[in-house]
Amino acid sequence: GEDVEQSLFLSVREGDSSVINCTYTDSSSTYLYWYKQEPGAGLQLLTYIFSNMDMKQDQRLTVLLNKKDKHLSLRIADTQTGDSAIYFCAESYTGNQFYFGTGTSLTVIP
Amino acid sequence: EAQVTQNPRYLITVTGKKLTVTCSQNMNHEYMSWYRQDPGLGLRQIYYSMNVEVTDKGDVPEGYKVSRKEKRNFPLILESPSPNQTSLYFCASSTRDSSYGYTFGSGTRLTVV
Repeated sequence: GEDVEQSLFLSVREGDSSVINCTYTDSSSTYLYWYKQEPGAGLQLLTYIFSNMDMKQDQRLTVLLNKKDKHLSLRIADTQTGDSAIYFCAESYTGNQFYFGTGTSLTVIP
Repeated sequence: EAQVTQNPRYLITVTGKKLTVTCSQNMNHEYMSWYRQDPGLGLRQIYYSMNVEVTDKGDVPEGYKVSRKEKRNFPLILESPSPNQTSLYFCASSTRDSSYGYTFGSGTRLTVV
């Protein structure tokens, strides 16, 4: 499969912004996604961005896409303890092949 | 409620005893897939299905079988489980063009002793 890389851990203080980064290798990716996995649960789709977009904002979430560098980031503003979870970056192109990163475990310190 | 339902949620079994993990979705999705999640390895695709009677191998298919006789169901079969198949398993489904990503089940934690 394609390589999708993320750092494994991130800690932030409550109220600060979190930035979770992801790099991918497939330049033909059509869609890029961020999923959230809370303890003991499945993955929930947080947001997605089409490859022809640079940025998408959805309330406290901002997704930035740098296609040239194949870099995707998720910024969570005003991070809360309920944001503590594992965040997965994923890419796909039409054909339903999804490739997931290893996940970044976000810990929010009160 | 639109959802993907997996059963069981937890399973402990012995080496070599055949088992089936069921997966069902109520969204009329064409595409279904099985993943396993292991620490430090993220999600790895086991098998996927583009539609009824159409299945294909993912990245780690060894030791697993699937079938897609009906659109809503996509069971995962372990004919002779081994300890290295101890993992957290997820079923997921999506529309044909995947534009809205996957809907995941809640997971099945399998332990093979």
